[in-house]
Amino acid sequence: GNSVTQMEGPVTLSEEAFLTINCTYTATGYPSLFWYVQYPGEGLQLLLKATKADDKGSNKGFEATYRKETTSFHLEKGSVQVSDSAVYFCALIQGAQKLVFGQGTRLTINP
Amino acid sequence: DVKVTQSSRYLVKRTGEKVFLECVQDMDHENMFWYRQDPGLGLRLIYFSYDVKMKEKGDIPEGYSVSREKKERFSLILESASTNQTSMYLCASIIEVGTEAFFGQGTRLTVV
Repeated sequence: GNSVTQMEGPVTLSEEAFLTINCTYTATGYPSLFWYVQYPGEGLQLLLKATKADDKGSNKGFEATYRKETTSFHLEKGSVQVSDSAVYFCALIQGAQKLVFGQGTRLTINP
Repeated sequence: DVKVTQSSRYLVKRTGEKVFLECVQDMDHENMFWYRQDPGLGLRLIYFSYDVKMKEKGDIPEGYSVSREKKERFSLILESASTNQTSMYLCASIIEVGTEAFFGQGTRLTVV
């Protein structure tokens, strides 16, 4: 079945550092790919998405590019802030509406 | 704005009790999901539903059942709660494949 694998956390960075969180997926065909973010004490909210190969999703300075050849959707941000501290989830959906998530990566940004 | 509302933020139940977790969405979405979230395991799909009275098992359906009598409401039922069902439960809905999923705030269930 479909699956998503994220880099293991936790990840700790200093403010203004460059961020990469790796995400790879296994799926037949062409799933839609997502990054969700969960701030402390809250539910998940959509950060960005891409629905076809070579699409780039972007939001709040975060970017991710749908790479079919490497089955990847890595999350990047050029300069992180303390307010970016959260748990980040990579996800995909395909076919019979089964939305599948990775295990999540906890990010902590120190001032 | 789409709103997904879960009936309780925190719940404490005893082993063996029957537990109902309710989820309501207000945007006429077809598809609804129940997940549990555990540290190091991410979100694991319990059940999902793509229409009224329709349900599909997710990856970890054992010990759970669901009910979707109306489009806006998707209930998760723990038939006989056990301590290993202590977890954060998240409900989500989407209007169609490829679009954003909207999540409730979550219910933190403790079974003692």
